[in-house]
Amino acid sequence: KAGVTQTPRYLIKTRGQQVTLSCSPISGHRSVSWYQQTPGQGLQFLFEYFSETQRNKGNFPGRFSGRQFSNSRSEMNVSTLELGDSALYLCASSAPGNTIYFGEGSWLTVV
Amino acid sequence: GQQVMQIPQYQHVQEGEDFTTYCNSSTTLSNIQWYKQRPGGHPVFLIQLVKSGEVKKQKRLTFQFGEAKKNSSLHITATQTTDVGTYFCAGRQGGSEKLVFGKGTKLTVNP
Repeated sequence: KAGVTQTPRYLIKTRGQQVTLSCSPISGHRSVSWYQQTPGQGLQFLFEYFSETQRNKGNFPGRFSGRQFSNSRSEMNVSTLELGDSALYLCASSAPGNTIYFGEGSWLTVV
Repeated sequence: GQQVMQIPQYQHVQEGEDFTTYCNSSTTLSNIQWYKQRPGGHPVFLIQLVKSGEVKKQKRLTFQFGEAKKNSSLHITATQTTDVGTYFCAGRQGGSEKLVFGKGTKLTVNP
């Protein structure tokens, strides 16, 4: 069974640009959550989607958004990028109430 | 909101020494999970504890869930260089699907 797939793995963007990251969950998993990981702040929850609906949301500004498609694939978007948005963005999928499985992440560098 | 505190933030040990990381929640948890993230990698699920006072072992790793379901610990006996990484606990408050992560304990092992 394929794991969680995230694309792209690495990207560099300029301040003010926007970025879209993609996540394909494990087959059969309908819950997809996103996390931002930085050295100083650890793993911070961004949002969670289940059956195309945002079920939970973390404390991030409105520049961070996401969506989920009918096939459970998810995307997150960050607009008007700031230097502080440089981080590893992790996607995780799960069946309800169960453990979550992380993808390898997308390394975003904002210059 | 729910918070999960994890200590220590860093731990340096000599190979062969024991290691323990602790997690404390401000609220009762329905379950707690532990993850390991190797340097440059993504978090990987280790174990889930559900019952009050539960203790589980995986070879040299011992996981405990407190009686009040508010705290947990991970103990590694006789550390090896392969144990290097950051260990995260993550808990779910009863009735919520949202998983809240501790900030992790970064373990380094000197050979």
